[in-house]
Amino acid sequence: NAGVTQTPKFRVLKTGQSMTLLCAQDMNHEYMYWYRQDPGMGLRLIHYSVGEGTTAKGEVPDGYNVSRLKKQNFLLGLESAAPSQTSVYFCASSVTDYGYTFGSGTRLTVV
Amino acid sequence: EDQVTQSPEALRLQEGESSSLNCSYTVSGLRGLFWYRQDPGKGPEFLFTLYSAGEEKEKERLKATLTKKESFLHITAPKPEDSATYLCAVQGAAAGNKLTFGGGTRVLVKP
Repeated sequence: NAGVTQTPKFRVLKTGQSMTLLCAQDMNHEYMYWYRQDPGMGLRLIHYSVGEGTTAKGEVPDGYNVSRLKKQNFLLGLESAAPSQTSVYFCASSVTDYGYTFGSGTRLTVV
Repeated sequence: EDQVTQSPEALRLQEGESSSLNCSYTVSGLRGLFWYRQDPGKGPEFLFTLYSAGEEKEKERLKATLTKKESFLHITAPKPEDSATYLCAVQGAAAGNKLTFGGGTRVLVKP
C-alpha cells in the first residue's frame, strides 16, 4: 500500500518548456488536490478534483492545467514554464470529512 | 474567504521545555480543523482533526485544542525528534473538501 506517489521527485526546466507531474493514489479516494509550497506562503491550492473526470480551480490556477481521466491518477501540467513556478508541488488525496494523505513532493526549478 | 494564521513563525525549545503553538482562523462553516507535521523534504503528515469548540485530542507529547476562533497545539516535554514544521488547516463549508493552510510554525528542540 503505497498511499500517494508523485513523479518525478526533482526536475529542472528551462523557461518556456512544458512538463507533466503525475500523482497516483491506491486508496480509492474520490478527492485529489495539487498544492504548491513556497517559503513564507504556506501551501496554496492550485487545482482539485472531486471525482474521476472532474476538475476545478483552486486559489492559484493560472499557468497550470490538470486532468483526472482515471480515479487513481491526477496530472498537473505546465504548458510554458516560468521562473515564478519554481516551487515544491504536493499532491494529496482524501475521502469526505477526512484529513488528506500527501505525497512526498516534486521540487521544480525553472531557470 | 477562509483564512488561517499561525504563530509564532519559529520556536526554539530546550528538550523538556513545554510550549504552545497558536492557530487563529476565520472560516465559513467550520467542518474541521486539521494539524499536520512536516519534516524537511517530505510531505505533511496528518496528526489530528478537531470538529467542534471544546474538543481536545492527544498523541504522545502533543495535545490539540479548539475554540471558536483558534486552536492550540501543546507540546509537553518535547524531545529533539519533535523538531518539525507544524501546519494548521481549516475545512469550510465550500464544496470540494478543500483545506486552507496557515504558514506553519517551525519548531526546533535542542537537546
